[in-house]
Formats: sequence, C-alpha cells, structure tokens
Amino acid sequence: AQSVSQHNHHVILSEAASLELGCNYSYGGTVNLFWYVQYPGQHLQLLLKYFSGDPLVKGIKGFEAEFIKSKFSFNLRKPSVQWSDTAEYFCAVKRGTDSWGKFQFGAGTQVVVTP
Amino acid sequence: GAVVSQHPSRVICKSGTSVKIECRSLDFQATTMFWYRQFPKKSLMLMATSNEGSKATYEQGVEKDKFLINHASLTLSTLTVTSAHPEDSSFYICSADFPLSTDTQYFGPGTRLTVL
Repeated sequence: AQSVSQHNHHVILSEAASLELGCNYSYGGTVNLFWYVQYPGQHLQLLLKYFSGDPLVKGIKGFEAEFIKSKFSFNLRKPSVQWSDTAEYFCAVKRGTDSWGKFQFGAGTQVVVTP
Repeated sequence: GAVVSQHPSRVICKSGTSVKIECRSLDFQATTMFWYRQFPKKSLMLMATSNEGSKATYEQGVEKDKFLINHASLTLSTLTVTSAHPEDSSFYICSADFPLSTDTQYFGPGTRLTVL
C-alpha cells in the first residue's frame, strides 16, 4: 500500500540542538511534498513545500527540507531549535495524479524542545 | 494567512445521537474542502472531499451514510456523524483549498468528538 512514514514518533532535544525529522513515501510517480506543523492548541500550518526544481527548499522559521528522489525521502531540518519549536510535525505527500488537494499524511512526530 | 474555523471545538454526545460539525472558510471562498479524522498517535486520515454544490467524494472504507457531508456554500461544509457510537470518537479536522491553488490548504483547528 502506498504510504508516508515518519521515522520518529517522539523527539526530545535541548535548545540550540540541531533537528532532523525523517519522512519517506512509497509512491513511484510525480509527487508534491509538504511539511506541516501543529503547535499546541493550534491548527496545522504549512512549513514548506516542494513541487519541482531545487531539491533543497527553505520554509518559515528557519526550517528547510531536502528532497532526495532516489531515496523517496523529504527530511526536515533546522540547525538550531528554540523552545518555541515544540510542536507536532507532519509530512504530507500529494501524488501528481491525484485530484485537487488530496494529501496523504505521515503519523506525525512530536518534538519537545527543553530550555 | 487564510483562516478556517470549526465549530464546535469539542462535543460529547450519547451513543445513537447525531452530531453536526461545521467548517467555515472565514476570508476566502473554498470550492473544495476536505474532512480528515485523526486517531491518537496516528496520521490524519482523509475521509472525504467536499465539493460545493455537488456530492462529496468518500475515501475507500468510509461509510457515506454514516458521515454525511454537505457543502451548501463556498464558505461552509458540514460533517454530520449519524447514529454515533463510541468507536466514532475521534478528532475531526477540516481543510479548505485556497482558490486558484491546488496545493495550498488551510486547516481548521479540529473538533474533538467523544461518544459515550
């Protein structure tokens, strides 16, 4: 079955540490890739997205992600996290052949940044 | 950014009753809205695609007679959980497609449904 998998369900790290969250998908064709973030008590917000072109994409709040087609991966990174980055992070994939806006989400990674 | 609201934010109901959840796009018109269900520590599962003025498209395995979707206007879609049972307890999230952009979605804050 086609799926989106996130490697870690729960990550705890200290402020200023570097963060990398893994995301792999299993679709073989063209895909659009997204990372969403959900801060405590808030709705999902778009961090960044990849459609085509430069596989290294930069998003809001210092986040970036790299699309590696050969590995079917779209890992999210931030060099130095802050306490305010505590949130749940979701990877999402939209297949190129899908109708408008039909996303497949990963299970999410809960990130806790300690002071 | 654009805002999508949901009402209510949480609801508790008795088994056998029906519950209606509203999803509104507050500052834009959304031809297409989506309904997701999220289980604890699980992914968001797409339930259905709601199109203004036409029938919703349901994902495989989702009972359309149980989860009634109505998209009566360009700013409102409703999900009605009919004859709710405890296994329907979940977090329901809607999203709306931003006009002229197939890949920009704005999400609502979600509705926590608890069926006793």
